[in-house]
Amino acid sequence: DAGVIQSPRHEVTEMGQEVTLRCKPISGHDYLFWYRQTMMRGLELLIYFNNNVPIDDSGMPEDRFSAKMPNASFSTLKIQPSEPRDSAVYFCASSLGLAGGSYYNEQFFGPGTRLTVL
Amino acid sequence: DAKTTQPTSMDCAEGRAANLPCNHSTISGNEYVYWYRQIHSQGPQYIIHGLKNNETNEMASLIITEDRKSSTLILPHATLRDTAVYYCIVRGGVLNYGGSQGNLIFGKGTKLSVKP
Repeated sequence: DAGVIQSPRHEVTEMGQEVTLRCKPISGHDYLFWYRQTMMRGLELLIYFNNNVPIDDSGMPEDRFSAKMPNASFSTLKIQPSEPRDSAVYFCASSLGLAGGSYYNEQFFGPGTRLTVL
Repeated sequence: DAKTTQPTSMDCAEGRAANLPCNHSTISGNEYVYWYRQIHSQGPQYIIHGLKNNETNEMASLIITEDRKSSTLILPHATLRDTAVYYCIVRGGVLNYGGSQGNLIFGKGTKLSVKP
């Protein structure tokens, strides 16, 4: 398997523009996670899906952020309109399960998308 | 908030063992200790996890104290490629599954620098 795939790897946009980040999870994984990493706040969970259904979006910063998972092999994170404070590295991760303790529930992370909003 | 405390940074000589400490004094009985690392510009990578007993795999060893309030990750022969930020995470297990207990909550981690 190619692992978790994210695109684009780098995105530079201007304030006010719509940004769409994409993720393809590992085949067969039932859980998909979106994280954001900044110097100030570190790595924080934004939202996660189970079997394509959003389960917990309490980490989504505000209504400008939205995430969808139309099928088991694709998810998007959209920011509209984008702002300079959204500049960060966005990671997608996937796993077979959620609970700790099982070797099968490890989260595998993608390479991330580095977003710069000017 | 992260339920762990780690030193901000550590240095280690190449070829020597790297011992990374972590305090998790409020860990509950069904929570696991997990370690991930993040090499510069890459996504986090799972290393090892444990509940009560010491664990070892091809990457590292995990030593958990008897009272489970602290643990140490050991990289037996550190190489330059082990330079990374190491995160110690307390994660809910199957018995208290539900809600967000199984989620990974990342703290600041320890930046390990392996020097030649």
